[in-house]
Amino acid sequence: KNEVEQSPQNLTAQEGEFITINCSYSVGISALHWLQQHPGGGIVSLFMLSSGKKKHGRLIATINIQEKHSSLHITASHPRDSAVYICAVSAGSQGNLIFGKGTKLSVKP
Amino acid sequence: DSGVTQTPKHLITATGQRVTLRCSPRSGDLSVYWYQQSLDQGLQFLIQYYNGEERAKGNILERFSAQQFPDLHSELNLSSLELGDSALYFCASSPRPTGYGETQYFGPGTRLLVL
Repeated sequence: KNEVEQSPQNLTAQEGEFITINCSYSVGISALHWLQQHPGGGIVSLFMLSSGKKKHGRLIATINIQEKHSSLHITASHPRDSAVYICAVSAGSQGNLIFGKGTKLSVKP
Repeated sequence: DSGVTQTPKHLITATGQRVTLRCSPRSGDLSVYWYQQSLDQGLQFLIQYYNGEERAKGNILERFSAQQFPDLHSELNLSSLELGDSALYFCASSPRPTGYGETQYFGPGTRLLVL
């Protein structure tokens, strides 16, 4: 079993829909990261959080430390949100990143 | 643009060969990380440097080595290349090491194809 599990693996949505991507982890962490990988391959860090909730524009990330679970929400989705969203946790004594397999999101106009 | 640069963008080579990937971190960042992204394994942490010193190792093969130079740029050396080494190699940087709650800034990656 992977230490970081994401669901769903693939997600297709219509423009304007509310989207939720889930991440569960099985190890102790110091922080959880949400990353976005564009079709061209580039990776952008969206959020880093260790508790509670963060919001940036139409993106919201939440984390429940007790349940070892995080969600990434996208409100009013747009085709430009189409990308792979990757959950990663900082774990271990050095806090190195362990990655989920990613969720491929496609938003149709 | 994250401010992290990687060269080359693409690299095609043959099995058994040796290549060097280069990374320049964001201005002011002392930590550099190397990651490998393959189709079957996803993203994996390889190695971390902080201010010239190796700080942590992940799933890095013995055929691979890295270093961080006094000007803080880093190089990842891959030798005796195998077909399975074909992957995207990312470099990332942050002001301080992981464990201090730092966001990492990723470079554009080097796409390596071993034929």
